[in-house]
Amino acid sequence: GAGVSQSPSNKVTEKGKDVELRCDPISGHTALYWYRQSLGQGLEFLIYFQGNSAPDKSGLPSDRFSAERTGGSVSTLTIQRTQQEDSAVYLCASSLKATGIQAFFGQGTRLTVV
Amino acid sequence: AQTVTQSQPEMSVQEAETVTLSCTYDTSESDYYLFWYKQPPSRQMILVIRQEAYKQQNATENRFSVNFQKAAKSFSLKISDSQLGDAAMYFCAYKVFGAGSYQLTFGKGTKLSVIP
Repeated sequence: GAGVSQSPSNKVTEKGKDVELRCDPISGHTALYWYRQSLGQGLEFLIYFQGNSAPDKSGLPSDRFSAERTGGSVSTLTIQRTQQEDSAVYLCASSLKATGIQAFFGQGTRLTVV
Repeated sequence: AQTVTQSQPEMSVQEAETVTLSCTYDTSESDYYLFWYKQPPSRQMILVIRQEAYKQQNATENRFSVNFQKAAKSFSLKISDSQLGDAAMYFCAYKVFGAGSYQLTFGKGTKLSVIP
């Protein structure tokens, strides 16, 4: 696609429910990143995918968070048993390669846990 | 670990005037990139300008320029002739240069308001 696409744009869920957030990167970009932006904070790195290599999950805050990337393209971030502190904007970015200088961001998913 | 600090949570500027946003960072690396991103209410992060640490010349993009002081680990953004469309959150970010480096480290942002 022309840009990084994320869905849904907004998601409201009840505490304890599972949610899935989707990211469709720019076609041909091999590197994909997930970041979390809590209210009043900068972006916090969550996870990184590069081609077929094992992902770097070092930023995931707990084992309730997981992500996968199918076919080297679309990625899904899953949060199980959501908590109120999970409320944030989740941003996805892609770049041409791992050492690509410029990362292109999607518009994010605003997750609200009630 | 690398850290990025933006000491101004909010700033305001009169339309057509100039404003400078501050950023400092901490790193032990010698080769890295610095960035300023703009985040309007649409939430999408838009790259405004970038600076390679090995370049002494300050980067410039139209009305946007930086003052990069490597020894002081300072990277400020100057916006000249401010326009209403410049109103947004601005984030300073850092990225290590080289193979294996990938993630951006962000500051907490500065909210810029432009007064008509």
